Amino acid sequence: KAGVTQTPRYLIKTRGQQVTLSCSPISGHRSVSWYQQTPGQGLQFLFEYFSETQRNKGNFPGRFSGRQFSNSRSEMNVSTLELGDSALYLCASSLGRFQETQYFGPGTRLLVL
Amino acid sequence: EDQVTQSPEALRLQEGESSSLNCSYTVSGLRGLFWYRQDPGKGPEFLFTLYSAGEEKEKERLKATLTKKESFLHITAPKPEDSATYLCAVQGNSGNTPLVFGKGTRLSVIA
Repeated sequence: KAGVTQTPRYLIKTRGQQVTLSCSPISGHRSVSWYQQTPGQGLQFLFEYFSETQRNKGNFPGRFSGRQFSNSRSEMNVSTLELGDSALYLCASSLGRFQETQYFGPGTRLLVL
Repeated sequence: EDQVTQSPEALRLQEGESSSLNCSYTVSGLRGLFWYRQDPGKGPEFLFTLYSAGEEKEKERLKATLTKKESFLHITAPKPEDSATYLCAVQGNSGNTPLVFGKGTRLSVIA
């Protein structure tokens, strides 16, 4: 079974621009979670989508948004990029039930200049 | 607020030198504790899920154990390919709570 895929793998943007990242979950998984990983803060939860609905949201500004499509694929968008948004953005999928293990994709490395 | 603290931050072992990584957690009610391995520039790779105190799981040279306040990842006779960052995460049982991750332990195994 194919794993979680994320595109693009690497991205360079400048301050003020916006970016859209994509995530395709494992087949049959209905929950997609997004995380930001930086050396200083570690892995921080952004949001979770289940059946096209945002089920949970982390403590990030409104510039960070996401959505999920009917095929469970998800996108996250960051508007008005800041230097501090440079990070590895990770997507994880699970079946969506409680006590479910999340499986991570390879991540998208975003560099904001 | 759920919290996870991992120690040590970094650990350097000789090949074959067994050791343990610690994950201390604070959560109102534990739904699950998860261990992941992460190689540089890659996404975390799932290792174990533990649900209740006293539970143990093993995979090759790794063994994870769980108490009511902490979890240990025991590495027996490590090899250089075990070098990675090991992440611990907890999920509370209050509604749809997300995973809370520790900052990880960076393990280096020297041949």
